[in-house]
Amino acid sequence: EAGVAQSPRYKIIEKRQSVAFWCNPISGHATLYWYQQILGQGPKLLIQFQNNGVVDDSQLPKDRFSAERLKGVDSTLKIQPAKLEDSAVYLCASSLASGVYNEQFFGPGTRLTVL
Amino acid sequence: SQQGEEDPQALSIQEGENATMNCSYKTSINNLQWYRQNSGRGLVHLILIRSNEREKHSGRLRVTLDTSKKSSSLLITASRAADTASYFCATEAGANNLFFGTGTRLTVIP
Repeated sequence: EAGVAQSPRYKIIEKRQSVAFWCNPISGHATLYWYQQILGQGPKLLIQFQNNGVVDDSQLPKDRFSAERLKGVDSTLKIQPAKLEDSAVYLCASSLASGVYNEQFFGPGTRLTVL
Repeated sequence: SQQGEEDPQALSIQEGENATMNCSYKTSINNLQWYRQNSGRGLVHLILIRSNEREKHSGRLRVTLDTSKKSSSLLITASRAADTASYFCATEAGANNLFFGTGTRLTVIP
């Protein structure tokens, strides 16, 4: 079974530029998550989708971050404009559903460096 | 905040020894999960313990949960060099949203 795919794996940009990350979840997984992991910290949930609807985006900095999952499969996360503090690994995860006890499977992440 | 806190932040042991990591959290939970993260395999789910369970085993892993103290521990027995990684606890309290702790960096010396 193919895992969660993410691209690009690495991205270096200058502050105030824009960047987008792509995620393809495991086939059949209805729920998709984006996490931000700053160096030395645990992952922090940014947004959760159930199919193509947003379940929770309370920790998403909406002035600069946006995410979509138009057809309920792939998702993109965008940062515009980027700040130095956005340097982190952005992890995508998926699960069968958003009910209790559904294991989340994580992709390899995109490491973003903002200069 | 619901985020867990792991203790210790870093742990270094010899191969074959046991490693114990602790996690404390602040609010009521449905379940607590432990994850491992290394550069080779990313973030991998290890074990889940539900709020009505007190102990769970999976291979060389043993997890305990004390909801009265809002704490959990992960024991890795007979450690191997391949166990070198960061270990995170994550609490779940609804809608399958996970709140991760700060992690314990484990180094197993061959």
